Amino acid sequence: QKEVEQDPGPLSVPEGAIVSLNCTYSNSAFQYFMWYRQYSRKGPELLMYTYSSGNKEDGRFTAQVDKSSKYISLFIRDSQPSDSATYLCASHYSGGYQKVTFGTGTKLQVIP
Amino acid sequence: EAGVTQFPSHSVIEKGQTVTLRCDPISGHDNLYWYRRVMGKEIKFLLHFVKESKQDESGMPNNRFLAERTGGTYSTLKVQPAELEDSGVYFCASSLGSFDEQYFGPGTRLTVT
Repeated sequence: QKEVEQDPGPLSVPEGAIVSLNCTYSNSAFQYFMWYRQYSRKGPELLMYTYSSGNKEDGRFTAQVDKSSKYISLFIRDSQPSDSATYLCASHYSGGYQKVTFGTGTKLQVIP
Repeated sequence: EAGVTQFPSHSVIEKGQTVTLRCDPISGHDNLYWYRRVMGKEIKFLLHFVKESKQDESGMPNNRFLAERTGGTYSTLKVQPAELEDSGVYFCASSLGSFDEQYFGPGTRLTVT
């Protein structure tokens, strides 16, 4: 079983739609949860970074973590064509350093 | 400020040959990480340097892979001899401190034929 599971998509939405991206994880030791955005032929770029359960909002992006169900979500409001990319959820343990475990990524296309 | 750079961007080699990938981290970043993504799979951690020392190399697949970071600046990842299953995209990332955000390079796409 993969430690972080993610639906690969692709997911296609019209511009302005609310996008919901989801992951589940299996390792109870994970304490930090991230969302990365990756454009084609580029490296992953950190988008959201949260600790333990709860919500975090940054502009049009909201990250949610529910540790009781081991569920990670990213919501994108008022989606734009520039949001078209692959979104990777990721986690790592508390302490030490960031040995990041990634999901496979969900490819998102926002259609103008 | 320049980001993480990787060279080459793409390498095509035959099975049994040797390839060396290079990563130049952001200046001043002591922490350097190598990751790999093989076709259809997730990005996986390979190893972590703090300056020139290997902090964790638990993700290295086998002894055909050798990573070095002489002088604590750039790093190289050598694959010798390359096998077909080594094909994928190799990412390098760097961070200022161990708990800081990792900045990823664009990756090196390795194709072994």
